[in-house]
Amino acid sequence: DTGVSQDPRHKITKRGQNVTFRCDPISEHNRLYWYRQTLGQGPEFLTYFQNEAQLEKSRLLSDRFSAERPKGSFSTLEIQRTEQGDSAMYLCASGRADTQYFGPGTRLTVL
Amino acid sequence: EDQVTQSPEALRLQEGESSSLNCSYTVSGLRGLFWYRQDPGKGPEFLFTLYSAGEEKEKERLKATLTKKESFLHITAPKPEDSATYLCAVQVTGTASKLTFGTGTRLQVTL
Repeated sequence: DTGVSQDPRHKITKRGQNVTFRCDPISEHNRLYWYRQTLGQGPEFLTYFQNEAQLEKSRLLSDRFSAERPKGSFSTLEIQRTEQGDSAMYLCASGRADTQYFGPGTRLTVL
Repeated sequence: EDQVTQSPEALRLQEGESSSLNCSYTVSGLRGLFWYRQDPGKGPEFLFTLYSAGEEKEKERLKATLTKKESFLHITAPKPEDSATYLCAVQVTGTASKLTFGTGTRLQVTL
C-alpha cells in the first residue's frame, strides 16, 4: 500500500500528558498537512509543510501544539499538556499539487 | 471569512433512488473545490476536484458540477455501498495550502 500512513491509529491518554503522532506521506509528495476533526464536523486545518519548511499554521494551533517535518519526509505532531478538548481525530494529508490525499487518522482520547 | 455550507445534513435513499447533495460556498476567490467521501472511523477519500464554473467530473455513479456559488454531487441509482459522509472543501486563491471543509452530508442507502 503506497498511501498515507499514520501511527498510532488510536491513543488514550490522561489529561496533562504529552502525546506524539507520526505521519508518513506518499513518497513523492512534497506537501504535507495536518487537520483535526471532531464528531459531526469537517476536518479543520492545523498546519502545512512544503518539504521541511512549515509555511502556514492555523490559530487553532496553540502553543501546546508543535509539528515538525525533518528532512522533508515523515512528520510528527506533538501535543503537550493534553486537555480534554484535544480529544479528536488527527488527520494527515499529503500532495504534490492542489489535491490532498488523507491518511486513516489517529484518534486521540484524553481522559 | 471563507464559508462552506452543505445540505442536507443527512439523506436517506432507497437503492436506485437518485438525488443530489449541495455545497454552497462564500470565498474571496476560489482556487478549487474538492469532494471527498468519508467512511466511519476512516480518513477522507478523494473523489473530485473542480476549478471553474461549468466544469463537471464523473466517477461511476457520482457526478460533480460547479457554479460560481455552489457545487452539486449527483448520485445516480445509488447502492448501499455508497453510504458514507460526503465532504465538500474549498481552496482559496493566494493560499495554496489549506482546505476549508463543510460539515458534510451523511448519506444512507437502503435496500
